[in-house]
Amino acid sequence: DIVMTQSPDSLALSLGERATINCKSSQSVLYSSDNKNYLGWYQQKPGQPPKLLIYWASTRESGVPDRFSGSGSGADFTLTISSLQAEDVAVYYCQQYYSTPPTFGQGTKLEIK
Amino acid sequence: EVQVLESGGGLVQPGGSLRLSCAASGFTFSSYAMNWVRQAPGKGLEWVSAISGSGGDTYYADSVKGRFTISRDNSENTLYLQMNSLRAEDTAVYYCAKDLPGTTQWLAIFDHWGQGTLVTVSS
Repeated sequence: DIVMTQSPDSLALSLGERATINCKSSQSVLYSSDNKNYLGWYQQKPGQPPKLLIYWASTRESGVPDRFSGSGSGADFTLTISSLQAEDVAVYYCQQYYSTPPTFGQGTKLEIK
Repeated sequence: EVQVLESGGGLVQPGGSLRLSCAASGFTFSSYAMNWVRQAPGKGLEWVSAISGSGGDTYYADSVKGRFTISRDNSENTLYLQMNSLRAEDTAVYYCAKDLPGTTQWLAIFDHWGQGTLVTVSS
């Protein structure tokens, strides 16, 4: 199974600051035949189901604010929130869908300082 | 509007059985793979099982293989998860999740999730 490791485990920032969450996979999730990274990001607010933010490592899901962006390739990825808003308080998960079983990172808890 | 709504959770004794259902609406159900993903209390996300749009292909996590069975009724737009030989470690909120549109029969990235149903395995 591909192991997904996120850093940091938690993060406390002020409103308006830039948030950066990292995700590393135990092997590359870049599929050579289509040159796509099989990596997604989710946001989970307390008491709610996860919400898909980003897929193919950098494609924003419909309706997701453009302050959220994804980058990276191969085995190293980043989710960036350009200017932190109060409603961004949540746990963020990365997930690979390159191979079975699909696996998630352990989560990064984002709080307001 | 895409909606998925889980039901069937509850308290069950170790070794017991439970069947979860997920009613889907707002999309052509038979065109999409569907998944079950679980989350133990205070823990992260774990993919459990998936089924192709036709129902002809099924996939399981090693932790549930041989104990859980996924199925679907495309005439009723409903997904199921039959859970047998339940263990304490199966205690979790179980989410039904729709697959993102793609060119393969199962992409395994999830664009719509239900609110979840809690399964508690305890004596």
